[in-house]
Amino acid sequence: SQTIHQWPATLVQPVGSPLSLECTVEGTSNPNLYWYRQAAGRGLQLLFYSVGIGQISSEVPQNLSASRPQDRQFILSSKKLLLSDSGFYLCACIRSQGDYGYTFGSGTRLTVV
Amino acid sequence: SQKIEQNSEALNIQEGKTATLTCNYTNYSPAYLQWYRQDPGRGPVFLLLIRENEKEKRKERLKVTFDTTLKQSLFHITASQPADSATYLCALYQGGKLIFGQGTELSVKP
Repeated sequence: SQTIHQWPATLVQPVGSPLSLECTVEGTSNPNLYWYRQAAGRGLQLLFYSVGIGQISSEVPQNLSASRPQDRQFILSSKKLLLSDSGFYLCACIRSQGDYGYTFGSGTRLTVV
Repeated sequence: SQKIEQNSEALNIQEGKTATLTCNYTNYSPAYLQWYRQDPGRGPVFLLLIRENEKEKRKERLKVTFDTTLKQSLFHITASQPADSATYLCALYQGGKLIFGQGTELSVKP
């Protein structure tokens, strides 16, 4: 089964600073990868997804961008953070068990101050 | 577009009772619907998938039903335990991507 690694677990950044969150996947090749954000007490909002190296689709207009430089690496970035970028960021891929479920990483809690 | 509605109020039940959580969707019936568990500060964990042609699916103490007429799925935990306390999310595919409800928090008291 696959495993998703995310880091850092917690991040406090000032408004206007840059951001880079990394996600790597083990146990599968050529996965579809997803970035979700979860605001406090809310559901998961899909931000970006990627079906392969260099292929990124954005779901909502925002202050963030994503890149996929390697097959099992997915990066979420921002040049200048806003207060509204605070949230819990989760990386996910489709499970290899064939049940169409997703495997999630442990997430990054981002607080913009 | 599809909307998923879960009861935003927390569900508090006594240990040993059956917990029932509801998931409603608004538009077309999906080919399948999924349920996840999320603990505080952690990513969601996949529990069960039920297909549109399945009325009911079971896994240990979990049971999921899928009523395409009512556009509703029910998630049951029988003989609930304090360890079952978590937020439970339902999800379905739209346009090839998984969208989630906001989740229902379950608290099982000893």
